[in-house]
Amino acid sequence: DSGVTQTPKHLITATGQRVTLRCSPRSGDLSVYWYQQSLDQGLQFLIQYYNGEERAKGNILERFSAQQFPDLHSELNLSSLELGDSALYFCASSVEASRFTEAFFGQGTRLTVV
Amino acid sequence: AQSVTQLGSHVSVSEGALVLLRCNYSSSVPPYLFWYVQYPNQGLQLLLKYTSAATLVKGINGFEAEFKKSETSFHLTKPSAHMSDAAEYFCAVSEILTGGGNKLTFGTGTQLKVEL
Repeated sequence: DSGVTQTPKHLITATGQRVTLRCSPRSGDLSVYWYQQSLDQGLQFLIQYYNGEERAKGNILERFSAQQFPDLHSELNLSSLELGDSALYFCASSVEASRFTEAFFGQGTRLTVV
Repeated sequence: AQSVTQLGSHVSVSEGALVLLRCNYSSSVPPYLFWYVQYPNQGLQLLLKYTSAATLVKGINGFEAEFKKSETSFHLTKPSAHMSDAAEYFCAVSEILTGGGNKLTFGTGTQLKVEL
């Protein structure tokens, strides 16, 4: 158990809908990352938050947004969903926003868009 | 941008045999490298990390990796494979981004199969 909690574990929704994925980082970790894992794209970095503020953006679509709350949990919002958004979405956390510190991953949320 | 390349999307070994999973990196600065393992329907678990302290890095579950600058490699090895090692393994490099953030860039993964 990495200490990173993601809910829900599975999500099935229809095209055009909006969903929210939730992540609770390890106790004491200030940095939260979101990654998408799909068969065709592999593991892709989406966005990073540090202590409530956006720190870095990756290949995140405009239809997607995220935030980190004062209690440090984070939410990833996916809207106007398309079939191609079906993927495994991982949250990871680390103590600081540094390339030296390892990131710990949650179990992921498997999103299926039908 | 930094990147990693994993040679061999599928590797099959016999139980008790040496495991060798290959990773080569591309980086204009000293790299910080990681190996993660993903078991079926699980998240990514950190096996080990290289942050320039020592070229031979020991990780969990008997795995180790050696950083070779001359070969730009960070191959993962285990002397004796066990059935429980069957999983997908990812090599990753950490890089700083504009604005002070950072991210992991992953290789495409190597699926390890262990046969009796």
